[in-house]
Amino acid sequence: IAGITQAPTSQILAAGRRMTLRCTQDMRHNAMYWYRQDLGLGLRLIHYSNTAGTTGKGEVPDGYSVSRANTDDFPLTLASAVPSQTSVYFCASSDYAESPLHFGNGTRLTVT
Amino acid sequence: GQNIDQPTEMTATEGAIVQINCTYQTSGFNGLFWYQQHAGEAPTFLSYNVLDGLEEKGRFSSFLSRSKGYSYLLLKELQMKDSASYLCAVRDGDYKLSFGAGTTVTVRA
Repeated sequence: IAGITQAPTSQILAAGRRMTLRCTQDMRHNAMYWYRQDLGLGLRLIHYSNTAGTTGKGEVPDGYSVSRANTDDFPLTLASAVPSQTSVYFCASSDYAESPLHFGNGTRLTVT
Repeated sequence: GQNIDQPTEMTATEGAIVQINCTYQTSGFNGLFWYQQHAGEAPTFLSYNVLDGLEEKGRFSSFLSRSKGYSYLLLKELQMKDSASYLCAVRDGDYKLSFGAGTTVTVRA
């Protein structure tokens, strides 16, 4: 089934550790996005990529980095996790700039 | 950043109609989206408006007024399965999509 796969589904991480959240799509979509969702704050854009080889900063990029080496993969890295990064992380993709986003099932991350 | 406002919670009875309002202020505008999100699940796309007016899709309709920075999502013939969070999202001039905090709709029997 075509779609977006995120891994892991959930993770408990000690503060200070490095963590990479994986995101892979098989729809050949050009644009990909990382959002975090926190209660009462909604979805906030962390980083995005309009096409392979390019990335951009969203609303809350600090503490996160991304890469887009190819069309399908868009990993999100936390270099040194902090408790405030406890959240549900959603990866999404869209075919072109005007089309709706398709979301993965999310990664629930707890930083202790 | 963008400013997108929608009510936090709404409650309605099964079979009724509910209207969820969304107001926004963005730098540039390239469309407004509504998403549905059930608890513990990913958001799913409901509707898209880029021109003023009403878009109807089954029991769900969405309206846009660009001059007023205003949209609403209308849910008709409410069913228990419509209990969910509804997210208003606006695509700005750089084509980035920003979301409101969401409106939790509870449908009562």
